[in-house]
Amino acid sequence: NAGVMQNPRHLVRRRGQEARLRCSPMKGHSHVYWYRQLPEEGLKFMVYLQKENIIDESGMPKERFSAEFPKEGPSILRIQQVVRGDSAAYFCASSRAEQGLAFFGQGTRLTVV
Amino acid sequence: GIQVEQSPPDLILQEGANSTLRCNFSDSVNNLQWFHQNPWGQLINLFYIPSGTKQNGRLSATTVATERYSLLYISSSQTTDSGVYFCAVASGTYKYIFGTGTRLKVLA
Repeated sequence: NAGVMQNPRHLVRRRGQEARLRCSPMKGHSHVYWYRQLPEEGLKFMVYLQKENIIDESGMPKERFSAEFPKEGPSILRIQQVVRGDSAAYFCASSRAEQGLAFFGQGTRLTVV
Repeated sequence: GIQVEQSPPDLILQEGANSTLRCNFSDSVNNLQWFHQNPWGQLINLFYIPSGTKQNGRLSATTVATERYSLLYISSSQTTDSGVYFCAVASGTYKYIFGTGTRLKVLA
């Protein structure tokens, strides 16, 4: 029973490029959450999605960031025109129910050069 | 919103020593998890413990929900225990609030 799968594990982008981070939730989980961890800090909530719907994006920066969870395929966190301040670890979590136990993936480390 | 404080912020131990990490939270919670983030950045779930006591090998955790704190015990520490330990809570919602972590270094 595979856990939450994130890829890539490491991603390097030049300033101005686009970053796409992927998250496949655990089998049977339809609730996906994205968190961001800046260097030397704890994780902070970004967005909560269910299949084809964004439920809560209150933690997402207003510009350049978007997320989706299509009917088929993984959830995608997309960062357009990356800047150095976007360098961070991005973690995805999934749960079976909205307030259920959330399982976290191994994270994607984004480095913007 | 709910506040989560962890102590101590930093801890250095000699291999074989025991330690207690604390997590205080400012409101009642229905979800609480302890995580270990290893030096490679991987986040490993240790315990799901909104209340009560659990044990897993050398690790155990206790949450006293009525007094709004949780403790993580590490016995006979090993160098592989090094990393950052996070407490994360959720209160009637899906959003986990993470503490700032306890940075543990175990010396050989």
